[in-house]
Amino acid sequence: DAEITQSPRHKITETGRQVTLACHQTWNHNNMFWYRQDLGHGLRLIHYSYGVQDTNKGEVSDGYSVSRSNTEDLPLTLESAASSQTSVYFCASSERGLPFAQYFGPGTRLTVL
Amino acid sequence: AQKITQTQPGMFVQEKEAVTLDCTYDTSDPSYGLFWYKQPSSGEMIFLIYQGSYDQQNATEGRYSLNFQKARKSANLVISASQLGDSAMYFCAMRAKAAGNKLTFGGGTRVLVKP
Repeated sequence: DAEITQSPRHKITETGRQVTLACHQTWNHNNMFWYRQDLGHGLRLIHYSYGVQDTNKGEVSDGYSVSRSNTEDLPLTLESAASSQTSVYFCASSERGLPFAQYFGPGTRLTVL
Repeated sequence: AQKITQTQPGMFVQEKEAVTLDCTYDTSDPSYGLFWYKQPSSGEMIFLIYQGSYDQQNATEGRYSLNFQKARKSANLVISASQLGDSAMYFCAMRAKAAGNKLTFGGGTRVLVKP
């Protein structure tokens, strides 16, 4: 069955370190998204991609970057982790067009000490 | 800009009863879609139901139905015959055609089903 996976599921890191969160989907979806979820803020879009070599900033993109070298993967990199980036991170993917829902990965809980 | 508002931060419902979760939205785009997701305590986001702005009928998926009132810009989720497993956070989200494939989420409503 097609799926979307994230790794690691839990990560503890220190302030200033570079961290990369992996997202892999086997749906063959063109669209991929990264969100963060914090208490009191719901889900906020970090970056998104509509296809290979395409990346776009979301509403909370500062301190994060993504790259899309193939259809299946959209890794999220925190260039220099900050305590404010402690959060739960969700990756999602979808087909193009309105009727199609985004399907979410299981999430990665990141703690920056 | 798109905006989703869920005014009920939390609610209790008795098992086997129906519950309505409110969602209002704001967009100037005539072409848009509305989505509901469930997030149980385990954390995953589960897609429940979709309603398109041009759909003539309210969407239904099993025990989930969407009360879509376009003129009032509301898209309330109705869960019939609540079960203990329905206890979760529920998010309303919108995607407007002009905004591409991005979703805008509401703040969520927590539902607790009482036995």
